[in-house]
Amino acid sequence: DIQMTQSPSSLSASVGDRVTITCQASQDISNYLNWYQQKPGKAPKLLIYDASNLETGVPSRFSGSGSGTDFTFTISSLQPEDIATYYCQQYDNLPVTFGQGTRLEIK
Amino acid sequence: QVQLVESGGGVVQPGRSLRLSCAASGFTFSSYGMHWVRQAPGKGLEWVAVIWYDGSNKYYADSVKGRFTISRDNSKNTLYLQMNSLRAEDTAVYYCARDRGTVTTYHFQHWGQGTLVTVSS
Repeated sequence: DIQMTQSPSSLSASVGDRVTITCQASQDISNYLNWYQQKPGKAPKLLIYDASNLETGVPSRFSGSGSGTDFTFTISSLQPEDIATYYCQQYDNLPVTFGQGTRLEIK
Repeated sequence: QVQLVESGGGVVQPGRSLRLSCAASGFTFSSYGMHWVRQAPGKGLEWVAVIWYDGSNKYYADSVKGRFTISRDNSKNTLYLQMNSLRAEDTAVYYCARDRGTVTTYHFQHWGQGTLVTVSS
């Protein structure tokens, strides 16, 4: 199975800050990577697909980049409603696997 | 709009069976691949299974292979997960998720609200 390693596991930032989360795959997955946001008690929500494409309706402050084994998810200006846990997910090979998540808190 | 509503969760003893359902509406169910994804309490996400739009292909995580069966009834717009030989480690919220398109992309574009399965004696 492909292992997905996210860092950091948790993050505290202030409103307006630029926030970056990284995700590393245990092998080359090209750009077969998605990012999800999960708020407490809610289902995940797809934000970014194919590493860098913004899902329809998702604010433009969210972005993604990377290919191969190293990927980055960025929130350009943190908003209070962005408090959530973020997951990366690879779909290059079955089984689909997720990173362990990054919990984002407001400082 | 797309709506997915899971049901069938509950408390079950180890070794017993349970069947989850996911009722779909707001889109042409028979045109989309469907998935089950689970989340143990306080833990991350784990993909469980996928079924092609027409039911022709099914794939499973190793952790459930041989015990769980994914199926669908396109005439009823419903997805199922038959779970047999349940174990304590199967305790989780189970989400159904719709794929992006007819060709399965493994983009979990829409999710239900989840149903909790607790395996305990």
